[in-house]
Amino acid sequence: EAGVTQSPTHLIKTRGQQATLRCSPISGHTSVYWYQQALGLGLQFLLWYDEGEERNRGNFPPRFSGRQFPNYSSELNVNALELEDSALYLCASSLAAGARISLNTEAFFGQGTRLTVV
Amino acid sequence: AQSVAQPEDQVNVAEGNPLTVKCTYSVSGNPYLFWYVQYPNRGLQFLLKYITGDNLVKGSYGFEAEFNKSQTSFHLKKPSALVSDSALYFCAVRGNSGNTPLVFGKGTRLSVIA
Repeated sequence: EAGVTQSPTHLIKTRGQQATLRCSPISGHTSVYWYQQALGLGLQFLLWYDEGEERNRGNFPPRFSGRQFPNYSSELNVNALELEDSALYLCASSLAAGARISLNTEAFFGQGTRLTVV
Repeated sequence: AQSVAQPEDQVNVAEGNPLTVKCTYSVSGNPYLFWYVQYPNRGLQFLLKYITGDNLVKGSYGFEAEFNKSQTSFHLKKPSALVSDSALYFCAVRGNSGNTPLVFGKGTRLSVIA
């Protein structure tokens, strides 16, 4: 069974540009989470999608946005890139049982996209 | 809002000795607690979780964690450390209702010395 896949693995952008990061969840998983892992800051929660809807959003500016597609894959978009956006962006997926979100199920992580803003 | 504190940035332990990585949490209602491990240039791997029931939870690779409700702690333990356990360890928490996200601590780097 394939795990969570993220693309690209590395991305280099210039300040002010836009970046698009992609994530495919494990088959059968409908919840997708995005996290930013910057040096020394641990994992900062960005966004959570489930069944195509945004369930929660972390304390990030509006230029961080995303969406979830009907096949449950997800995109993270970062507009007007700043140098401090350089980080490892991790996507995770988990089960969600229909209308009742399974909060006690563990999330499975992809390998991440390393975004470098120069 | 929920939060996780991992008070130690770095833990050093000799191979064969017991190890403890500390975690305290804050959440409304009953917590769901998780431990993950991250090896260099890799994503996070799930180790174990506490949902309800027995306060001592056993997980992968010989790790276990003890839930202590009164101290709001969920410390990760292993009776005998291996050099291969050297990695970055993350504790995470979420509440048991609503659109509560999975929130992580800053991580603790474990170094096991031969």
